[in-house]
Amino acid sequence: QKEVEQNSGPLSVPEGAIASLNCTYSDRGSQSFFWYRQYSGKSPELIMFIYSNGDKEDGRFTAQLNKASQYVSLLIRDSQPSDSATYLCAVGGEYSGNTPLVFGKGTRLSVIA
Amino acid sequence: ETGVTQTPRHLVMGMTNKKSLKCEQHLGHNAMYWYKQSAKKPLELMFVYNFKEQTENNSVPSRFSPECPNSSHLFLHLHTLQPEDSALYLCASGEGYGYTFGSGTRLTVV
Repeated sequence: QKEVEQNSGPLSVPEGAIASLNCTYSDRGSQSFFWYRQYSGKSPELIMFIYSNGDKEDGRFTAQLNKASQYVSLLIRDSQPSDSATYLCAVGGEYSGNTPLVFGKGTRLSVIA
Repeated sequence: ETGVTQTPRHLVMGMTNKKSLKCEQHLGHNAMYWYKQSAKKPLELMFVYNFKEQTENNSVPSRFSPECPNSSHLFLHLHTLQPEDSALYLCASGEGYGYTFGSGTRLTVV
């Protein structure tokens, strides 16, 4: 069974600091990796995706992928109180395919003003 | 209207009731999904539809019955549910490049 593991947190960081969220996955054949943000009482919102080893940056967010270690991370620079949410890691198949995404339980992030 | 729309937002039903959840997407996606989100559990995939055809049923009890009349609409018919079925039910559409979720239906079974 494919599994995605995340530390449930809460992860507390002060405003302006870097928040580091981690995720490991069990299926070595996974090809696509996603980070979703979910505010309390809301549905998940896609914030980052990555397909290749290395780093991908988008504004204050950086996704990092290491397929050899089966490890994905999300860095949030200059954390803001509005970043306080649960962050879900999801893992899927090929970019052009339709393998359903498998989600982790999520890590709750709290940014303290 | 754009995105993925789910109705109703909230639903309270008795164990003997029959109700339906509706999902509509205006993104032109060919795949639609039902996920269940319970407290302290990961999102659980329930059903997958590709081009209106069900391609995955993740061992979901028969008291949940999906219907996909076309690529834009997805229903989840509910009957004789149990209290442990209380959860947030999320519809999503999309393919390998990531999904767009609807706002979800918060279901309470009493």
